[in-house]
Amino acid sequence: AQSVAQPEDQVNVAEGNPLTVKCTYSVSGNPYLFWYVQYPNRGLQFLLKYITGDNLVKGSYGFEAEFNKSQTSFHLKKPSALVSDSALYFCAVGGIGSARQLTFGSGTQLTVLP
Amino acid sequence: DAGITQSPRHKVTETGTPVTLRCHQTENHRYMYWYRQDPGHGLRLIHYSYGVKDTDKGEVSDGYSVSRSKTEDFLLTLESATSSQTSVYFCAISETLPGLSTGELFFGEGSRLTVL
Repeated sequence: AQSVAQPEDQVNVAEGNPLTVKCTYSVSGNPYLFWYVQYPNRGLQFLLKYITGDNLVKGSYGFEAEFNKSQTSFHLKKPSALVSDSALYFCAVGGIGSARQLTFGSGTQLTVLP
Repeated sequence: DAGITQSPRHKVTETGTPVTLRCHQTENHRYMYWYRQDPGHGLRLIHYSYGVKDTDKGEVSDGYSVSRSKTEDFLLTLESATSSQTSVYFCAISETLPGLSTGELFFGEGSRLTVL
């Protein structure tokens, strides 16, 4: 069975500082990894994904994520946080045998303080 | 924004009553999904569809049924609602499987269901 862990329910960071939202996964075979963002009272929006290739993936709004196979991690990063980045972030994983289904983490609430 | 409409957006009902949530898409995407979102659990897959009249169970399918008679519509039915089904329900669509190059999910705005 595949699983995703987001170890931090809440991350606070000052505006202008770098941010990291952590994600680790467990899946059989090669993973397909995604980050989604949810703003209040809205549906989730796709940020970025790793399918294969370069371990550093760049996505929307200046976000990037680094795939680390040995540590089974896919942490979301941004060099300089904005107040408007405050939202709920979800990591998700899918595998070859269950490609129709993504398993989502429990989410991390990011608050960027002005 | 992807053309996904969920209805109703808010509903309050009583235990034991049937409830149907509707998801309508204008993107002609093959795959459609119903998720529920609960604090501490993230999103959990209820049912999904990979074509008209082709559906399958997800992680938390007990107490739910679905139907897809047209490409654009995916209905989620709670035959007899219980308080444990109080949640926010999200419909999602994708053009291909999540593991393929264009397999990202597009989500609707959500339907908040309260079962008293």
